[in-house]
Amino acid sequence: QQQVKQSPQSLIVQKGGISIINCAYENTAFDYFPWYQQFPGKGPALLIAIRPDVSEKKEGRFTISFNKSAKQFSLHIMDSQPGDSATYFCAASNRGANNLFFGTGTRLTVIP
Amino acid sequence: NAGVTQTPKFQVLKTGQSMTLQCAQDMNHEYMSWYRQDPGMGLRLIHYSVGAGITDQGEVPNGYNVSRSTTEDFPLRLLSAAPSQTSVYFCASSYSSIGLLYGYTFGSGTRLTVV
Repeated sequence: QQQVKQSPQSLIVQKGGISIINCAYENTAFDYFPWYQQFPGKGPALLIAIRPDVSEKKEGRFTISFNKSAKQFSLHIMDSQPGDSATYFCAASNRGANNLFFGTGTRLTVIP
Repeated sequence: NAGVTQTPKFQVLKTGQSMTLQCAQDMNHEYMSWYRQDPGMGLRLIHYSVGAGITDQGEVPNGYNVSRSTTEDFPLRLLSAAPSQTSVYFCASSYSSIGLLYGYTFGSGTRLTVV
């Protein structure tokens, strides 16, 4: 079963708009929530990550919002640019685990 | 440049053939793993290793073997290729098993087609 559920599967946003990708999990032991960005023909790369002791983390135009009680977290891309067009994966795990559990991915297209 | 090197980049196999996908990293990472990426299914873990001589199964291990004789190398063997193994395969490495601080470093992938 999918440990991390991600939506939407694809997203089209105008340049300058806000892109929002949502993820949900069930395992309350998860305490590490990274987001990975993948450009076509490349492997994914770490974009930003959050721990559950904070509700929000911002790095430049990218923000993770975390809702522990709802077991949900989301990625917000402010002022979206065509260069942000990529596939985004959320993931979750906990310290002591042997691997990350990835969501199914969201293909983001930012149109000029 | 330091990183994860995967070979080959593309491969076409006939059903029943075997092959080895190579993965090498030069960052002295203890943790290495193999994922397959399929449309609508994201990244699924095949096998992983927490150090030389130690391997374990992930979510979708059937039809694949791995070994880790050195810290640097983590080859993935397809025993008898099936069309269901048509996919893009990624090798990843990291200082920690969940990629704390620096994340996983992924290779550029191997696109495998089984006919």
